[in-house]
Amino acid sequence: DVKVTQSSRYLVKRTGEKVFLECVQDMDHENMFWYRQDPGLGLRLIYFSYDVKMKEKGDIPEGYSVSREKKERFSLILESASTNQTSMYLCASIGGRNNSPLHFGNGTRLTVT
Amino acid sequence: AQSVTQLDSQVPVFEEAPVELRCNYSSSVSVYLFWYVQYPNQGLQLLLKYLSGSTLVKGINGFEAEFNKSQTSFHLRKPSVHISDTAEYFCAVTPAHTGGFKTIFGAGTRLFVKA
Repeated sequence: DVKVTQSSRYLVKRTGEKVFLECVQDMDHENMFWYRQDPGLGLRLIYFSYDVKMKEKGDIPEGYSVSREKKERFSLILESASTNQTSMYLCASIGGRNNSPLHFGNGTRLTVT
Repeated sequence: AQSVTQLDSQVPVFEEAPVELRCNYSSSVSVYLFWYVQYPNQGLQLLLKYLSGSTLVKGINGFEAEFNKSQTSFHLRKPSVHISDTAEYFCAVTPAHTGGFKTIFGAGTRLFVKA
């Protein structure tokens, strides 16, 4: 069965800290995504990657960066966490066909204090 | 550009009653349509999808959805809900020519099933 694993379910960080969110998929998918989920706003795309070391900005990339050194792993980095980055973060991957659905991890709920 | 509107932010319903969660979309290109479900403290999982062909699609857990091209809608239905259906439901559209990179999600509908 398809699996996307996010390393942390809950994180509490302080303002100004550097934060790493890790995501691993076991489906050999080329494409991986980081979304942010906030009540009433649905899912908003932060960054996606279509290959190792390749990345593209999504709709809300400000304050975030990403790293994809290996095909199976996609990391989201908050260079200097701020309270407005308190949110649920969802990682997803997708197969190569245009009609493929997204496969999601269980999410990381990040609180920045 | 595409947009997705889920017309109800919350839908309370009694157990064993029917339910419809409404989704309208706009797009100038052909799209694929998806419904995802998110149970508490979990990620999203695929409920059903419309790619082409029959406009009535069936998904997991007894859900179905009907694609209506003229009304640009993709409403989700279940004839009899269970307590375990309490979750948040997301409608999503993907442009057929770009695939998942450009998937747009609705804001979500929280279904609350009461005993």
